[in-house]
Amino acid sequence: EVQLVESGGGLVKPGGSLRLSCAASGFTFSKAWMSWVRQAPGKGLEWVGRIKSKTDGGTTDYAAPVKGRFTISRNDSKNTLYLQMNSLKTEDTAVYYCTRINWGSAFDIWGQGTMVTVSS
Amino acid sequence: QTVVTQEPSFSVSPGGTVTLTCGLSSGSVSSRYYPSWYQQTPGQAPRTLIYSTNTRSSGVPDRFSGSILGNKAALTITGAQADDESDYYCVLYMGSGDYVFGTGTKVTVL
Repeated sequence: EVQLVESGGGLVKPGGSLRLSCAASGFTFSKAWMSWVRQAPGKGLEWVGRIKSKTDGGTTDYAAPVKGRFTISRNDSKNTLYLQMNSLKTEDTAVYYCTRINWGSAFDIWGQGTMVTVSS
Repeated sequence: QTVVTQEPSFSVSPGGTVTLTCGLSSGSVSSRYYPSWYQQTPGQAPRTLIYSTNTRSSGVPDRFSGSILGNKAALTITGAQADDESDYYCVLYMGSGDYVFGTGTKVTVL
């Protein structure tokens, strides 16, 4: 079964850090381009960033609101995607979804999400 | 900053047809932006409906169809059913690793 399972969410103070993980199964993770998408409470979906497969360079791209603060990485031997979030702000409070990018341009597999709350 | 606009809400009768659109704050949407569409019910993860303008994702009923209408991407639901009541989001791929979600449309079936 194709599956993405996020973990690592929780409550963190402004200025703090948190690392999210996403365990993939049911597909060849090492060949996949992966992404993070978030959704603030009661708001719409927002793209956070993506990482290409290592064979395609393994490069990362980020949305402007998180650039310089968030880092996406991957461990293909563990079939796991990561999102390191530093200098967290209250506006980073959201459910964070791990997704697979397919067809170069769309998200075809979604995890169930993990909640991150940034509050003092 | 790129803004992708969608209608805030739509209401459709059971069995009816509704067309949602996805536009750019400046410029026209074309297939070169590879528009995709997602359905989300409260408390659930999004579900992929359409990619590359008009290709249905695996398992998506054929009452969902995608197209370009004028200068916007469009999602049409033909023969709406009660469980189509959801939020719908489009995504445009702007190139260079930049994906932009639309503002979302809440569809009510009644």
